[in-house]
This record gives sequence, C-alpha cells and structure tokens, in this order.
Amino acid sequence: GENVEQHPSTLSVQEGDSAVIKCTYSDSASNYFPWYKQELGKGPQLIIDIRSNVGEKKDQRIAVTLNKTAKHFSLHITETQPEDSAVYFCAASPSYQKVTFGIGTKLQVIP
Amino acid sequence: KAGVTQTPRYLIKTRGQQVTLSCSPISGHRSVSWYQQTPGQGLQFLFEYFSETQRNKGNFPGRFSGRQFSNSRSEMNVSTLELGDSALYLCASSWSGNEQFFGPGTRLTVL
Repeated sequence: GENVEQHPSTLSVQEGDSAVIKCTYSDSASNYFPWYKQELGKGPQLIIDIRSNVGEKKDQRIAVTLNKTAKHFSLHITETQPEDSAVYFCAASPSYQKVTFGIGTKLQVIP
Repeated sequence: KAGVTQTPRYLIKTRGQQVTLSCSPISGHRSVSWYQQTPGQGLQFLFEYFSETQRNKGNFPGRFSGRQFSNSRSEMNVSTLELGDSALYLCASSWSGNEQFFGPGTRLTVL
C-alpha cells in the first residue's frame, strides 16, 4: 500500500518568513495530493491540492509543488502569519477515497 | 451549506463496552470515510462507504465496522473496546472524488 513520509515534524518560523513542508510517497499510482490544516479542536481542513498532471499550484500565500519522478511534493507558505499556526498534513491517493496521510507537521509562527 | 456533523463530540466508555458514532455528510455527498487519529499514528483510514456499500477498507480489526444509510448518513461501531481505541474519530464526506471535507470529530476515551 501507499506510504507517505512527512518532514519536519515541527517547524518554528518568525512571522513574515516562509515555511516549507516536504513529503514523499511510495505508490507511483498516486495521482491526487491534498494538503490539510488542522487547528486545535477541529477536523482537518483542505487548504490546497494538486493532481499528477500539474507540477505546481498556487493560491495566494500557499503553493504546492509536485515532482512525480522523484515522488516528492511540498507545501510552501509565504509571509507567514500567527493564524497559520496549526498542524499540517500531506496526503496521497491512488484511487477514490483511499487516502494515506503523512504524520503531520506542527507549524508555529512566532509574532 | 452545512458542513459535516458528527455526534457525539465526546464519549467516555470502559473496556469491553461497544460504541456507535454517527456522521452526517454535506448535503449531496454520497461518500463517507472514517479515520482514526492518535498522536502516535496520525490519521489512519478505517473505511469508506459510497451509496450504502463499503468501497474501501483499511487495516483495522473486525471490531471496527460501519454502515451507510440511504440518506448517506453513516455510523461506525467499535465492539469490545480496548484502551488503545482511545482516539479522535473523524468522518469525511465527498461527492464522489478525492476532495474530502472533514467533520470536527468524536473524541473517544476508553477507561
């Protein structure tokens, strides 16, 4: 089955700096890569996703890149703000609904 | 549009008991997935239902079961509870593709 590894497990950045979270996956059949943000006491919220026919996608301060050859994908958050502090999960999916998540990255943005 | 709702939000049970959790998906969504979230294991896929049929299943023992009703509402049941079953149980709904919307979860504590 699919295996998703996520680094780092914790990340502290100064407000205004950029944050990068990296993931690798094992199943070459995976074609959908979502990223979720989970705040304390809430369920994960989809923030951006990318499909295997696209190499990069951007939504305001958030961007995701995908390298299918290397089986790597990354989340980039620019101009971080305190409200970006949360746990971020990457995930990979080779088929409808069978989604495998990374272990999560706790991001702390220091004002 | 109302989001995914889960009931109850918190539950305390003792070992050996059984528990039933409920999930109401976003209106129009036909797929419901269940996940177990623990600090050590992250988000782990339990099973997914689509139009009342289990379409995918994760690697959990048979004590974990689920079902989906004709109105797409879903329930999951855990029998013979063990201490290790203490976790946040998340439900996610989707129209039919990969994009999932999570509920707030049910926090289960087994004593």
